[in-house]
Amino acid sequence: EPEVTQTPSHQVTQMGQEVILRCVPISNHLYFYWYRQILGQKVEFLVSFYNNEISEKSEIFDDQFSVERPDGSNFTLKIRSTKLEDSAMYFCASSEWVVPDAFEYFGPGTRLTVT
Amino acid sequence: AQKITQTQPGMFVQEKEAVTLDCTYDTSDPSYGLFWYKQPSSGEMIFLIYQGSYDQQNATEGRYSLNFQKARKSANLVISASQLGDSAMYFCAISDRGSTLGRLYFGRGTQLTVWP
Repeated sequence: EPEVTQTPSHQVTQMGQEVILRCVPISNHLYFYWYRQILGQKVEFLVSFYNNEISEKSEIFDDQFSVERPDGSNFTLKIRSTKLEDSAMYFCASSEWVVPDAFEYFGPGTRLTVT
Repeated sequence: AQKITQTQPGMFVQEKEAVTLDCTYDTSDPSYGLFWYKQPSSGEMIFLIYQGSYDQQNATEGRYSLNFQKARKSANLVISASQLGDSAMYFCAISDRGSTLGRLYFGRGTQLTVWP
């Protein structure tokens, strides 16, 4: 069964460093999302992406965040200068059509630890 | 206002028994979808079941069923014949047409523990 993959599974970085989290969505999906989950809290939407541009972003997705689809398969989230409060699990998701007409399939997540 | 409310931070059930996890939602959009995801201790988010707002029948997927009561704005997850592997955090989520690409709004989750 097709699945969303994410790399790395765990990333440790120092405060102020840049990180890039990578995702490979399901191949025929057109809509892409990033969510994050701070430990013990609910999953929060960051950004949605379609047709090579951001469709919607939350208040969390400030200027230090950016997303890119550099080729036909990868979808990346970059955090330019990490802060301690960026420590969280970051989930990539993709869907074939616009939700709620389709389901969002989540990747296994990247656990980001900022020290 | 919270779009999804899950009032049970933790639930306990004995193996082979059924359990209901509560979820109420808030939206003014007539078209929306309700989702349940399971998050085991390993951290991944596993899609379980979906209910569309216009679906006449309650959704079912194997041992999972969704008790959808539109007038009460509730979408409770029923797990029949619980198994030890069902122990996990369960999140209810909604997507409506208020956003451009149907972002999901999650509740705070319910931690389910199944005991032998």
